[in-house]
Amino acid sequence: EAGVAQSPRYKIIEKRQSVAFWCNPISGHATLYWYQQILGQGPKLLIQFQNNGVVDDSQLPKDRFSAERLKGVDSTLKIQPAKLEDSAVYLCASSPTLGTTAGGYTFGSGTRLTVV
Amino acid sequence: GENVEQHPSTLSVQEGDSAVIKCTYSDSASNYFPWYKQELGKRPQLIIDIRSNVGEKKDQRIAVTLNKTAKHFSLHITETQPEDSAVYFCAAGFQKLVFGTGTRLLVSP
Repeated sequence: EAGVAQSPRYKIIEKRQSVAFWCNPISGHATLYWYQQILGQGPKLLIQFQNNGVVDDSQLPKDRFSAERLKGVDSTLKIQPAKLEDSAVYLCASSPTLGTTAGGYTFGSGTRLTVV
Repeated sequence: GENVEQHPSTLSVQEGDSAVIKCTYSDSASNYFPWYKQELGKRPQLIIDIRSNVGEKKDQRIAVTLNKTAKHFSLHITETQPEDSAVYFCAAGFQKLVFGTGTRLLVSP
């Protein structure tokens, strides 16, 4: 099966600019996650979707971050305006169902964001 | 919410030795405990997982143990090889996974 697709792979922007990341999950996976992984740290959940609804966005900095999953398939994560501390790898993951009964996530390759 | 702690942060072993990484979790509702291996610049890859109704699981040189009472679980790698060198993350959760801070494993030939 095809994996989780993410683009772009790399992005360099200046602070206060905006940026958007795209994710296409594994076909048929209802649950989609966006994680932020700062260098040297574990992935931190930003937002979790079940189909096109938000299940958990408690750790999403909503003053600058937004995400959507229209039609319950692809998802876009946006940052506006970016700060230096947003420099990180943004990982998208998907799983077949809500909850962990179906097993672990499949991660995409990530987008490495550098804010200068 | 769930909180996962992972130790040690760095682990250096000689090829052929065993390596053990330990994690603790806080939420008794968590029922799934995977381990991921992440090589430099690559995505996390699932290497083994365990569910809360099982105490131990083994896959060739890798094993995971779970103590639900104490809320801790461990990854055991036997007969380590240089290609085992990577960062390993534990995670715990129910509807979502919370990750530990990672252990950098270095296996020297």
